[in-house]
Amino acid sequence: ETGVTQTPRHLVMGMTNKKSLKCEQHLGHNAMYWYKQSAKKPLELMFVYNFKEQTENNSVPSRFSPECPNSSHLFLHLHTLQPEDSALYLCASSQVERGASDTQYFGPGTRLTVL
Amino acid sequence: GQNIDQPTEMTATEGAIVQINCTYQTSGFNGLFWYQQHAGEAPTFLSYNVLDGLEEKGRFSSFLSRSKGYSYLLLKELQMKDSASYLCAVGDSNYQLIWGAGTKLIIKP
Repeated sequence: ETGVTQTPRHLVMGMTNKKSLKCEQHLGHNAMYWYKQSAKKPLELMFVYNFKEQTENNSVPSRFSPECPNSSHLFLHLHTLQPEDSALYLCASSQVERGASDTQYFGPGTRLTVL
Repeated sequence: GQNIDQPTEMTATEGAIVQINCTYQTSGFNGLFWYQQHAGEAPTFLSYNVLDGLEEKGRFSSFLSRSKGYSYLLLKELQMKDSASYLCAVGDSNYQLIWGAGTKLIIKP
């Protein structure tokens, strides 16, 4: 247990569906992240929320929409996805401090399959 | 561009020692991380190096040479449970982590 939980663990959806991924961190951290992990590829940073404000989006398609209602919860809303969006979606949290790279703690991920 | 290179896959024998290398080219350097990820599980933090030299933590050690843009993770007395992917990540000038694709380590009896 890393202190970061994600639901659901597995999700199968059609290209016209709308679904949401949920992440919750119990570590008291001030930053949360969404990553996409595809086989044999580096982790791709999708979104960063620092003190609840989005600071990075790394040119992610608009069919992915993040929401961070408070510092402990993070959502990823999905709509009209494509088959190439099938991947493991990882949530992470960290305590951001000035002048240092912070250790990120990951949830177990949601395995997403788009049919 | 920014780039992290590590071998795709390595095989080692139970009880032996294995070294997983990582080379990086990034815009700035603010520390290097190693994570372990078992299949179907979350990546978990192993080590952090920001200064040159060797950091030892039990059976695992991590080495950094900033001038060479190089790090390695050394695993001693390998156990079957060490079979996993090992991810190298570097903090760039914006303190954003740049990730390698990971090295899958297979341990054989």
